[in-house]
Amino acid sequence: AQKITQTQPGMFVQEKEAVTLDCTYDTSDQSYGLFWYKQPSSGEMIFLIYQGSYDEQNATEGRYSLNFQKARKSANLVISASQLGDSAMYFCAMRRDNNAGNMLTFGGGTRLMVKP
Amino acid sequence: NAGVTQTPKFQVLKTGQSMTLQCAQDMNHEYMSWYRQDPGMGLRLIHYSVGAGITDQGEVPNGYNVSRSTTEDFPLRLLSAAPSQTSVYFCASSYSIATGGVTEAFFGQGTRLTVV
Repeated sequence: AQKITQTQPGMFVQEKEAVTLDCTYDTSDQSYGLFWYKQPSSGEMIFLIYQGSYDEQNATEGRYSLNFQKARKSANLVISASQLGDSAMYFCAMRRDNNAGNMLTFGGGTRLMVKP
Repeated sequence: NAGVTQTPKFQVLKTGQSMTLQCAQDMNHEYMSWYRQDPGMGLRLIHYSVGAGITDQGEVPNGYNVSRSTTEDFPLRLLSAAPSQTSVYFCASSYSIATGGVTEAFFGQGTRLTVV
């Protein structure tokens, strides 16, 4: 079975600083995808970034980058130049590429609070 | 485009009542799924569908039924509501993994359900 672990229940970061949110995963699959979603207080789930297990380069999307270390089974999210609007819950999720339904396994989440 | 639309947004049920949560998507996605999110936790998969007429169980299917008669709609039925089903329910849709690319899941706004 797949498992996603996010060990930081809550984090503070000063506005304009960078922050790293940790994510480790457990799988015996060779082909899988890793996702990060943001959930603001309004409740919706917003897709941020994706990393495929065979991608050799770390994914980047604007201020978001994914620090992918396959051997250590970690997929940490790095947010550069934090903004007040980044305050939210962040979820790491994994998809097995051999599954039929794009099913996601989620971690427990990290609540990020950006201080002005 | 509306994306993924869930109704209702809020619902209070009495123990033993039944109801249907509606989910519709207008992106012609093959895959649809239902998740529940309990306080302080990540999302857990209830049921999923890879196309019209095809459904399967996820991690926590007990007490829920689904059907998929069209590509657009994927309703979730609570057969006999219990307080343990108090949760926030999310519907999601995506293209098939075979499409290639990221094929991220798009989520609805969620339905907050309370069973008393």
